[in-house]
Amino acid sequence: DARVTQTPRHKVTEMGQEVTMRCQPILGHNTVFWYRQTMMQGLELLAYFRNRAPLDDSGMPKDRFSAEMPDATLATLKIQPSEPRDSAVYFCASGLVLTSGAYEQYFGPGTRLTVT
Amino acid sequence: QKEVEQNSGPLSVPEGAIASLNCTYSDRVSQSFFWYRQYSGKSPELIMSIYSNGDKEDGRFTAQLNKASQYVSLLIRDSQPSDSATYLCAAPDTGRRALTFGSGTRLQVQP
Repeated sequence: DARVTQTPRHKVTEMGQEVTMRCQPILGHNTVFWYRQTMMQGLELLAYFRNRAPLDDSGMPKDRFSAEMPDATLATLKIQPSEPRDSAVYFCASGLVLTSGAYEQYFGPGTRLTVT
Repeated sequence: QKEVEQNSGPLSVPEGAIASLNCTYSDRVSQSFFWYRQYSGKSPELIMSIYSNGDKEDGRFTAQLNKASQYVSLLIRDSQPSDSATYLCAAPDTGRRALTFGSGTRLQVQP
């Protein structure tokens, strides 16, 4: 049963601490997306990678967020230092490219982050 | 203006009825559209993709695409209480090739 996995599922941390979230995409998918979901903003794209190369990170606050894909089976999203406004659910999705150029995306279970 | 617009609802329908969810998009170039279902506290789940004008049926779900009017809809026949969820419409952001999501429509199916 192919699925995207994410760790940790829940994270509570204090303001100023570093947070690292991990994602394992579906085997064979070459594109990985990071989203953040809040009640106020809905689902927002933070960054995405294709073949491990960053294609777009314009949705991500550059001063504190960083995203990497060290190998085809691992993507990471790091926040340093964390702030209370970063509290949200962070989803990773992996995708298959369509002939139209768009991606069918499959979401992981998410990491619920609370920064106090 | 958001690129993908949805009525936030809630849309309440009785069990067994047809639920109709609508979505409009602003990018005329978009070729692919997706419907995701998200249960409370869970992640979005892809339930339908549609790429050409007309209807696409999958079980109790029918997606309808009208490119001239720039809207896409999702019909759920014989609605069940288990269909109660938020339904997200998504279309590609032409420049980024990633998906832009609507804010979602909350559906409530009353037993």
